[in-house]
Amino acid sequence: EAQVTQNPRYLITVTGKKLTVTCSQNMNHEYMSWYRQDPGLGLRQIYYSMNVEVTDKGDVPEGYKVSRKEKRNFPLILESPSPNQTSLYFCASSSFSSSYNEQFFGPGTRLTVL
Amino acid sequence: DQQVKQNSPSLSVQEGRISILNCDYTNSMFDYFLWYKKYPAEGPTFLISISSIKDKNEDGRFTVFLNKSAKHLSLHIVPSQPGDSAVYFCAAGGGSNYKLTFGKGTLLTVNP
Repeated sequence: EAQVTQNPRYLITVTGKKLTVTCSQNMNHEYMSWYRQDPGLGLRQIYYSMNVEVTDKGDVPEGYKVSRKEKRNFPLILESPSPNQTSLYFCASSSFSSSYNEQFFGPGTRLTVL
Repeated sequence: DQQVKQNSPSLSVQEGRISILNCDYTNSMFDYFLWYKKYPAEGPTFLISISSIKDKNEDGRFTVFLNKSAKHLSLHIVPSQPGDSAVYFCAAGGGSNYKLTFGKGTLLTVNP
């Protein structure tokens, strides 16, 4: 089954404790992206990757890091989480062959930073 | 600056009637537009798209209309069903970075 998986689905942590949210896709997609969803703000892009070793900032990259060492994986790293990073996070992927960049989304990771 | 706007946070319709969700954009360089549907505890799923050179695209009960001069698009769902109750996001894209810019979403409730 074609899918984007994220782990963990839920995470409660404390300020300053480094964490990684994993994202993996099995569709051989070139493009991957991370979003956060906050009430009243919709989906905002954090980082994206056009291919292996090619990453760039989105609209709200502060406090986040990413890496793309393999085509299928695109982990999101919070080196020193803060309470304002409490949010719902989505990973997405798409193929350059799609006409309109239809992105496939993972199920989401709900992060709470205390 | 919000480039994609969904000005109605919520919409409630009766089962069997038409649902119309609206979206406005400010960037005339967008090449295509998409609608996504999102159920609670799930990721958004792609629903329908339209190129900037078209004014209508239809897929079953879902039709998207694009008015470029007004920088406005709308999603029509006919007939609406209770299973259509979800948050709908409008998104716009184009350019070499493949970025999609999303609106804030509209919560649609279809009452039986």
